[in-house]
Amino acid sequence: NAGVTQTPKFQVLKTGQSMTLQCAQDMNHEYMSWYRQDPGMGLRLIHYSVGAGITDQGEVPNGYNVSRSTTEDFPLRLLSAAPSQTSVYFCASSYRPRAGANVLTFGAGSRLTVL
Amino acid sequence: ILNVEQSPQSLHVQEGDSTNFTCSFPSSNFYALHWYRWETAKSPEALFVMTLNGDEKKKGRISATLNTKEGYSYLYIKGSQPEDSATYLCAFMGATGNQFYFGTGTSLTVIP
Repeated sequence: NAGVTQTPKFQVLKTGQSMTLQCAQDMNHEYMSWYRQDPGMGLRLIHYSVGAGITDQGEVPNGYNVSRSTTEDFPLRLLSAAPSQTSVYFCASSYRPRAGANVLTFGAGSRLTVL
Repeated sequence: ILNVEQSPQSLHVQEGDSTNFTCSFPSSNFYALHWYRWETAKSPEALFVMTLNGDEKKKGRISATLNTKEGYSYLYIKGSQPEDSATYLCAFMGATGNQFYFGTGTSLTVIP
């Protein structure tokens, strides 16, 4: 199994450009989520989804959009990139977190730089 | 937004030393606490899921305890080895919602 696959691994954008970070999992996980990792800040939740067609905001949702049209995919869209969005982004998935001892499986991360 | 704190921020120990660090979280509305191990240039990997007050989990030389009434969890590493060098993260989930709140981690360096 591939687990959680994120693309691209690295990306440089100019302010105002748009892009999509892709996340796909092949474990039939209902729960998928996006985090950003900034120095001294820990992992902060951007958006999450508990199933196809259902998404919700996390701690830091501003400037990001998500959709969940299939169980496998959970793309993160930056509509107009800003330097404050320079970060490392992680996608993570699990079976329903409230249905038992279900841990998060993380992707390899995507490093985004906005100039 | 909930506050999850980890201490110390970083730790350097000699090979063979035992060590422990702390994760503090809100003591009300607890659902679960996770511990993850995060090596440089890799992704976080799960160590433990803890859901009941008084839980004790063990995996090899690493163990964890949970006190939900006072809002803390300890992670212990017995006889540290260089391969234990990593950042250790805890993540809290409350009784409502589906959000995990991560601490900033404890960075452990084991000196050979």
